[in-house]
Amino acid sequence: GAGVSQSPSNKVTEKGKDVELRCDPISGHTALYWYRQSLGQGLEFLIYFQGNSAPDKSGLPSDRFSAERTGGSVSTLTIQRTQQEDSAVYLCASSLTGPRYGYTFGSGTRLTVV
Amino acid sequence: EDKVVQSPLSLVVHEGDTVTLNCSYEVTNFRSLLWYKQEKKAPTFLFMLTSSGIEKKSGRLSSILDKKELFSILNITATQTGDSAVYLCAKIYNQGGKLIFGQGTELSVKP
Repeated sequence: GAGVSQSPSNKVTEKGKDVELRCDPISGHTALYWYRQSLGQGLEFLIYFQGNSAPDKSGLPSDRFSAERTGGSVSTLTIQRTQQEDSAVYLCASSLTGPRYGYTFGSGTRLTVV
Repeated sequence: EDKVVQSPLSLVVHEGDTVTLNCSYEVTNFRSLLWYKQEKKAPTFLFMLTSSGIEKKSGRLSSILDKKELFSILNITATQTGDSAVYLCAKIYNQGGKLIFGQGTELSVKP
C-alpha cells in the first residue's frame, strides 16, 4: 500500500476484555515497529520485527501484551485483560530494512479502556 | 536508563518568530538522531542526523547534531500557524533499530 495502515482507528473496550490491533506496513518494508503514546507523553517502544529474525520484545510492558507478524507483512498487537492504564494511542511504523532508512508511521489506533 | 530529553516542553510564539528546539541524548549505542513533527496522530519524518556539524535543511526548518556535546537543535524560521505541532526527537540504537523518543516539544504559533 501507499502508507502504513492501522485498524481500527479508534477502539473503546471494557476493562478485562482482550483487544487486537492491526498494522499493514508499506509493501516491501521488512522492518515493523509498535509504539505506544500515552496522553501528553512521548512515544514508548514496544516491539520490533525485522525480517525472519526473532523480534525484539524488550519494550512490552507486561505479559498481557503480545505481537505477531505473519508472512513478514501484517502485524497484530494483542492486549489481554485490558486495564485502564493501557489507554493510549498505539502507533505502528515500518521501514525498508531497518534504522538506516526513514520510518513511516501509521495514523495509530486510539484505545480507550473504560 | 537511556534517555532522550527535549526542551522546552511547550512554547508559544507569534507568526514570524524564530524558534529553537533542543534535544539531548545519552551516547550509549547511539547511531543517529531523528526529528519528527506530530500534528494529530502519525508523526511525520523531518530529519535524520548521523554526522556531527552538518546542517540539514528543508525550507524554513533546519537541524544540526553535536556528537561531542550530545545534543541536537531544530530551528524554525519565520514561523507560521501551520507549524503548530508537537516536535519529537528520537535516538536510533546502534543495533536493532528501535527508537527512543523524547517527551516532545509542543509548539503553538499564534497569528
